[in-house]
Amino acid sequence: DAGVTQSPTHLIKTRGQQVTLRCSPKSGHDTVSWYQQALGQGPQFIFQYYEEEERQRGNFPDRFSGHQFPNYSSELNVNALLLGDSALYLCASSLGPQDNSPLHFGNGTRLTVT
Amino acid sequence: AQSVTQLDSQVPVFEEAPVELRCNYSSSVSVYLFWYVQYPNQGLQLLLKYLSGSTLVKGINGFEAEFNKSQTSFHLRKPSVHISDTAEYFCAVSGSNQGGKLIFGQGTELSVKP
Repeated sequence: DAGVTQSPTHLIKTRGQQVTLRCSPKSGHDTVSWYQQALGQGPQFIFQYYEEEERQRGNFPDRFSGHQFPNYSSELNVNALLLGDSALYLCASSLGPQDNSPLHFGNGTRLTVT
Repeated sequence: AQSVTQLDSQVPVFEEAPVELRCNYSSSVSVYLFWYVQYPNQGLQLLLKYLSGSTLVKGINGFEAEFNKSQTSFHLRKPSVHISDTAEYFCAVSGSNQGGKLIFGQGTELSVKP
């Protein structure tokens, strides 16, 4: 039973570029959430996708956008990269968007912006 | 709005000693509480969760936590730690109608020494 898988594992981009991160949820899960974890900090909620729609969004600018596909996989896109976007980006999946659905996390994509 | 405060950023302890990692939360609505563990270069793994019912919650790897509504706390405990418990621990809260959006604390680095 595959867990949450993310790709790539590491990525180096230049300021101003655009990046796309990918996530496949745990088998049987239909909801995907994205979190940003800066070095030494706890994860911060970016947004959540369910039924191919963005259902909730955290305090992140419009440069951060996403998509969910019919097979429940998801992409996170970040435009006009800033140095401050350097972080570990975590994808989490759950069965439904309910408050009490435990999240299962992937190992993350480490993004470095130079 | 909800918030989570982990009272200790670092907790050093000797192997086989007991440990308590402290977590306080604030919320104006009913909450669900979680503890996650993060090993180096990995994503987050769910240790335990409080959704309702008994205030003493048992999790994986011998960890347990107690929900105290009057003190708005959810401290994590283990009676005897192992070297392999060395990791970062995150307390998180989800509230009613938050649809799976987790608010994380800053994390507590548990360092188990031989």
